[in-house]
Amino acid sequence: DAGITQSPRYKITETGRQVTLMCHQTWSHSYMFWYRQDLGHGLRLIYYSAAADITDKGEVPDGYVVSRSKTENFPLTLESATRSQTSVYFCASSASGGLLSYEQYFGPGTRLTVT
Amino acid sequence: KNQVEQSPQSLIILEGKNCTLQCNYTVSPFSNLRWYKQDTGRGPVSLTIMTFSENTKSNGRYTATLDADTKQSSLHITASQLSDSASYICVVSERDSNYQLIWGAGTKLIIKP
Repeated sequence: DAGITQSPRYKITETGRQVTLMCHQTWSHSYMFWYRQDLGHGLRLIYYSAAADITDKGEVPDGYVVSRSKTENFPLTLESATRSQTSVYFCASSASGGLLSYEQYFGPGTRLTVT
Repeated sequence: KNQVEQSPQSLIILEGKNCTLQCNYTVSPFSNLRWYKQDTGRGPVSLTIMTFSENTKSNGRYTATLDADTKQSSLHITASQLSDSASYICVVSERDSNYQLIWGAGTKLIIKP
């Protein structure tokens, strides 16, 4: 009963490198989300997906790419990492979107440091 | 601009005491309001979700209130325990969006023995 998992949990990379953060959920939830959390700020939505092969931008999508070929996986790629992308990244899933009061379930997070 | 503001930023109380955390929002049109608990190094976990018509909701020792007219919510914690040490985040959903959640910055609560 894994729920929602993220890998790696910690990652250090250099400026300009490509890095992919993985997210996997076992509930067959339709919606999946990527957020970043920075000190002193609320969570900010990067991308979300309403179903396999359907993705859309959130509040802060620049510099990130997502894909969703399977319902259970939602990887986030930083194509050319910058220091401003140093953050904690959370993946979440939900049976539906926020409009219908469905809960979002969060993974444990990936702490990414770009040097 | 849709915003969620929480107060205080941080709070220290003794174990066994009660406390109340505040949330003010400007999100409109409003759909629902959530309170999340986030332990250090973990993802947020939902405590309560309240819609427009609900003004009180409890989850064990946690009681959330909502005044949709004044756009205020509070989270009351009764008989605090050491495990209540965490950040508590208020999140408001916009009615016309099926994904947009507006997150507050959170209140960091520390329970001292």
